[in-house]
Amino acid sequence: AQKVTQAQTEISVVEKEDVTLDCVYETRDTTYYLFWYKQPPSGELVFLIRRNSFDEQNEISGRYSWNFQKSTSSFNFTITASQVVDSAVYFCALSASTGANSKLTFGKGITLSVRP
Amino acid sequence: EPEVTQTPSHQVTQMGQEVILRCVPISNHLYFYWYRQILGQKVEFLVSFYNNEISEKSEIFDDQFSVERPDGSNFTLKIRSTKLEDSAMYFCASDSPGNYGYTFGSGTRLTVV
Repeated sequence: AQKVTQAQTEISVVEKEDVTLDCVYETRDTTYYLFWYKQPPSGELVFLIRRNSFDEQNEISGRYSWNFQKSTSSFNFTITASQVVDSAVYFCALSASTGANSKLTFGKGITLSVRP
Repeated sequence: EPEVTQTPSHQVTQMGQEVILRCVPISNHLYFYWYRQILGQKVEFLVSFYNNEISEKSEIFDDQFSVERPDGSNFTLKIRSTKLEDSAMYFCASDSPGNYGYTFGSGTRLTVV
């Protein structure tokens, strides 16, 4: 069975602070994919990143960066110099493959509030 | 940028009524999904659909639920007799091999009264 744990439930920071959102996953599959989605107050799910289990390189996209560590089954997400527009719920998710049965298993989400 | 379109954005229905939620996936995608998010909770998988049949379903997806791709572009979720606990945001998603992102629609908020 697959499981995603986002132990932090709510984080509040002041604008321009850096913030790291933690994600720990469990799977027996050797090939799997990890995702992060942002859910702003408007409710849609905005895709941020997909990473496959064979690629452990960290990724940076603007103010966003991701740290994938297979040894600790973690896929953490850091926002540098946070902004008020970053306020949202962030979900980490896991899928076994990109085939027909690639359902996503989501964590419970982390509510990030960025104060001016 | 291609997107998944869901209609309506919000639907209110009376308990016991049938509802159909509609989705237009990205045109060259092959795999289609429905997910549900009860207010304030995590997003949960309902069903996946490929090659005109269900490939996997969760325990939530009981006999009250059905999916259909009637015309090659639309992908629908039907709830036959709605219950209060079906109130949730329903997300459609589509995906394809080699696609970088697994794309969700903006959701339909279903309220059962």
